Amino acid sequence: EPEVTQTPSHQVTQMGQEVILRCVPISNHLYFYWYRQILGQKVEFLVSFYNNEISEKSEIFDDQFSVERPDGSNFTLKIRSTKLEDSAMYFCASSVVPNQPQHFGDGTRLSIL
Amino acid sequence: EDQVTQSPEALRLQEGESSSLNCSYTVSGLRGLFWYRQDPGKGPEFLFTLYSAGEEKEKERLKATLTKKESFLHITAPKPEDSATYLCAVQAGGNTGGFKTIFGAGTRLFVKA
Repeated sequence: EPEVTQTPSHQVTQMGQEVILRCVPISNHLYFYWYRQILGQKVEFLVSFYNNEISEKSEIFDDQFSVERPDGSNFTLKIRSTKLEDSAMYFCASSVVPNQPQHFGDGTRLSIL
Repeated sequence: EDQVTQSPEALRLQEGESSSLNCSYTVSGLRGLFWYRQDPGKGPEFLFTLYSAGEEKEKERLKATLTKKESFLHITAPKPEDSATYLCAVQAGGNTGGFKTIFGAGTRLFVKA
């Protein structure tokens, strides 16, 4: 069964550094998403992306965050200048259309030192 | 404010002891309600989508139902392998014309043999 893959599984970064999280969505899916889950807390929506544009973003997704689909298969989340509070599990998901099930990767654990 | 509340926070069952998990929501413009299962260190795994009040979906020992204000996930004769966190998520219209997905905090289910 097709799946969403995320790399790396664990990223350790110094505060203030830039980090890029990578995702390969399911190939026939058109909508892509990033979520984060701080340890012990809810899964939180960050951004949705369709047709090379952001279609919706949350209040969390400020100017420090950006997303990109640099080629036909990858979908990336960039955090420009990481803060301690960015430490979390980041999940990528994809769906065929918005109100169809989203399929999630197993996440990247981001640790900011 | 859009909100999704799950109860109970944790549920301990004996193998074979049926029970129900609750998800209540207040959102404007519901597009769909989703149930996911999340195992430790993994991404959410899709279980069911429900779109309108009165709808029911079933899969093995699980059955999901939807009313205008809440959804239930019924677990019949659970087994230890059903132990996981069960997440409810609601998709609604966003602020910029797209869609946002709001997750509940989840119910941690423990099934003892």
